[in-house]
Amino acid sequence: GDSVTQMEGPVTLSEEAFLTINCTYTATGYPSLFWYVQYPGEGLQLLLKATKADDKGSNKGFEATYRKETTSFHLEKGSVQVSDSAVYFCALYNAGNMLTFGGGTRLMVKP
Amino acid sequence: DAMVIQNPRYQVTQFGKPVTLSCSQTLNHNVMYWYQQKSSQAPKLLFHYYDKDFNNEADTPDNFQSRRPNTSFCFLDIRSPGLGDAAMYLCATSRDTATSYEQYFGPGTRLTVT
Repeated sequence: GDSVTQMEGPVTLSEEAFLTINCTYTATGYPSLFWYVQYPGEGLQLLLKATKADDKGSNKGFEATYRKETTSFHLEKGSVQVSDSAVYFCALYNAGNMLTFGGGTRLMVKP
Repeated sequence: DAMVIQNPRYQVTQFGKPVTLSCSQTLNHNVMYWYQQKSSQAPKLLFHYYDKDFNNEADTPDNFQSRRPNTSFCFLDIRSPGLGDAAMYLCATSRDTATSYEQYFGPGTRLTVT
């Protein structure tokens, strides 16, 4: 079946550092890929998405590129802020199925 | 603001004592989902409703039941909670099943079993 693997956290960075959170997937066909974010005390929110190979999703300074050749969808941000501290979930969607989530990566940004 | 609301945010129950978690939505979405999330793990889908059509995941224990009396509300009933059922329970909605990749989540209910 479909699966998503994320790097284990927590990831601890200083403000303005460069962020990468790795995500790889296993799926049949041509899934769509997503990043969800969960801020403390809140529900998950869709952060960005990419629906086909080589697409780049972007939002709030975050971006991720759908790489079919490496089955990856790594999340990046050039300069993180304290307010970016949250748990980030990579997910995939195959038509006719439900969302499949990775285990989540906690990001902690220190001033 | 349109949103997904879960009550209570924290619930403590005793081993074997039935408990009900509540979810409501003001988005008027057709689909509602219940997930179980244990510490440092991915959310695990328990079941979902498309309108009144109930869909149970194959590995969801019989101990877990759900009710959706109307579009706005959905309940998760745990008939005889065990220690292994302690987790965060997330409710989510989507406009329909074709857009199930874009789900709107509530803040979750953290269940403790003593």
